[in-house]
Amino acid sequence: AQSVAQPEDQVNVAEGNPLTVKCTYSVSGNPYLFWYVQYPNRGLQFLLKYITGDNLVKGSYGFEAEFNKSQTSFHLKKPSALVSDSALYFCAVRDDTGGFKTIFGAGTRLFVKA
Amino acid sequence: GAGVSQSPSNKVTEKGKDVELRCDPISGHTALYWYRQSLGQGLEFLIYFQGNSAPDKSGLPSDRFSAERTGGSVSTLTIQRTQQEDSAVYLCASSSPHTLYEQYFGPGTRLTVT
Repeated sequence: AQSVAQPEDQVNVAEGNPLTVKCTYSVSGNPYLFWYVQYPNRGLQFLLKYITGDNLVKGSYGFEAEFNKSQTSFHLKKPSALVSDSALYFCAVRDDTGGFKTIFGAGTRLFVKA
Repeated sequence: GAGVSQSPSNKVTEKGKDVELRCDPISGHTALYWYRQSLGQGLEFLIYFQGNSAPDKSGLPSDRFSAERTGGSVSTLTIQRTQQEDSAVYLCASSSPHTLYEQYFGPGTRLTVT
């Protein structure tokens, strides 16, 4: 069965500092991994994905994520946080065995202080 | 182009009544998903449809919940005999194989059961 864990309910960083939002996963086959963001009073938006290939994937708004197969992790990172990055971030996973079922993590709320 | 649309945006119903929630996916997207997001919680997978294949209903919480997708496009999620614990935001998403299945979300339907 697929599962996703986001161990931190909340992450606090100062503007200009690097940020990391953690995600670990479990799947039967090879993983397809995604990050989504939910800004206040706005819908969920796709940020980036890992399907295959380079372990470091780059996405929207300067975000990137590193796939680590041995640690079954897919942490979201940004070199320099902005106040406008404050939002709810979701990690999601599905496997490559043919089904489309996608499991989302519980979400991590990011607060960036000016 | 047009994104995923959902209607109604808000629905207040009395306990015990039936409700229907509608989702219009992005044209050409073959996969359609329903999720539930309770206040302050993550996304709970409910069901997905992919093309003409049988839907994966493994996330439906009880037999009061059902969904259909007509003509491979519009989908309706029906909740019978609503309970207060059904109160949540119901999100619909669609995806295309051409973008490796990243999901595009609608604005959601906020359901309140009184």
